[in-house]
Amino acid sequence: AQSVTQLGSHVSVSEGALVLLRCNYSSSVPPYLFWYVQYPNQGLQLLLKYTTGATLVKGINGFEAEFKKSETSFHLTKPSAHMSDAAEYFCASTSGGYQKVTFGTGTKLQVIP
Amino acid sequence: NAGVTQTPKFRVLKTGQSMTLLCAQDMNHEYMYWYRQDPGMGLRLIHYSVGEGTTAKGEVPDGYNVSRLKKQNFLLGLESAAPSQTSVYFCASSYRQGSGNTIYFGEGSWLTVV
Repeated sequence: AQSVTQLGSHVSVSEGALVLLRCNYSSSVPPYLFWYVQYPNQGLQLLLKYTTGATLVKGINGFEAEFKKSETSFHLTKPSAHMSDAAEYFCASTSGGYQKVTFGTGTKLQVIP
Repeated sequence: NAGVTQTPKFRVLKTGQSMTLLCAQDMNHEYMYWYRQDPGMGLRLIHYSVGEGTTAKGEVPDGYNVSRLKKQNFLLGLESAAPSQTSVYFCASSYRQGSGNTIYFGEGSWLTVV
């Protein structure tokens, strides 16, 4: 069975600082990995995803994530936080064939002016 | 381009009442899902459908029923609402699960059971 663990339910950073949101996965087969963002009172939007190929994936709004198989990680980063980045971020995983998507419990990002 | 549309957006129910949440997608997706989101628990899958006329149970199906009579619609029913069903409900859809396809979400339905 696959699982997704997000370390830290709340993360605070100063505006302009590096954003690092951690995600580790557990899967018996190579996974497909996603990061979604949820702004207040809205649904989830895809930020980026890894399927195959290049392990460094670039997404919208300056975010990127790197798939590290040896560490079973897919951490989300952004070099410089903006106030508009304040939201909840969800890491998700699915595997080849018919498998349900597994979501992490989410990390709320607070950006301090 | 509407994407995934859910109705109603807000609803207050009394314990024991029934209701149906409606979901419609205009992307010709095969797969549709209903999730609930609760603080600190992320998203939990209630029921899903891999095609018209098919439904299957997810992680937390008890107290809910679903129907997919048309490919574009996926209905979630609460037969006898309980306070534990107070939550935010999200409908979602995708072309096919398990192959890296993006799941598209609706805006959510806020349900309070008193």
